[in-house]
Amino acid sequence: EAGVTQFPSHSVIEKGQTVTLRCDPISGHDNLYWYRRVMGKEIKFLLHFVKESKQDESGMPNNRFLAERTGGTYSTLKVQPAELEDSGVYFCASSQMDIGYGYTFGSGTRLTVV
Amino acid sequence: GESVGLHLPTLSVQEGDNSIINCAYSNSASDYFIWYKQESGKGPQFIIDIRSNMDKRQGQRVTVLLNKTVKHLSLQIAATQPGDSAVYFCAEKNYGQNFVFGPGTRLSVLP
Repeated sequence: EAGVTQFPSHSVIEKGQTVTLRCDPISGHDNLYWYRRVMGKEIKFLLHFVKESKQDESGMPNNRFLAERTGGTYSTLKVQPAELEDSGVYFCASSQMDIGYGYTFGSGTRLTVV
Repeated sequence: GESVGLHLPTLSVQEGDNSIINCAYSNSASDYFIWYKQESGKGPQFIIDIRSNMDKRQGQRVTVLLNKTVKHLSLQIAATQPGDSAVYFCAEKNYGQNFVFGPGTRLSVLP
């Protein structure tokens, strides 16, 4: 089966611009997660979708970040306006079940804000 | 590939030796743990998991040990190979919560 796909793989934008990251989960996986690793620190949770609903968005850093999953398939994560501290690698993961299972991660989007 | 923090712990082992990577987790209520392997330019890849009602679980060349008393998790890799070179993350999860990742350990396999 195809894995979790993320696009773009790299993005370089100027401070104040907008960037939209996309994640296509494994087909049939209701659970979709966004994580990020900033400045080489720990991988930190951002939010969790179950189908099209936001199950948990407690990790979203501020209102400059907006995640959507219309139709319960792919998801987008928009950063507007981007700040320097948003630079890092944004990972998407999906799973069939949320409890007691590992996630399948995508390769990530490396975001650089200059 | 992805850059890592300057202070990422590093473990260097000779090819063919056994590797032990350690992790201290934070939440005594965590009931599920995973070890992930991340190679440069790739996302974290599932290696092995263990539930809190177990203290040891074995996979192919890998063993995870869980010591709940001291909140310690370890990953043992037998006969380490060059392809094992990567950053290894432990992750803990509490029921209904999301994974909390450790800081990661870089494993370098020397020829």
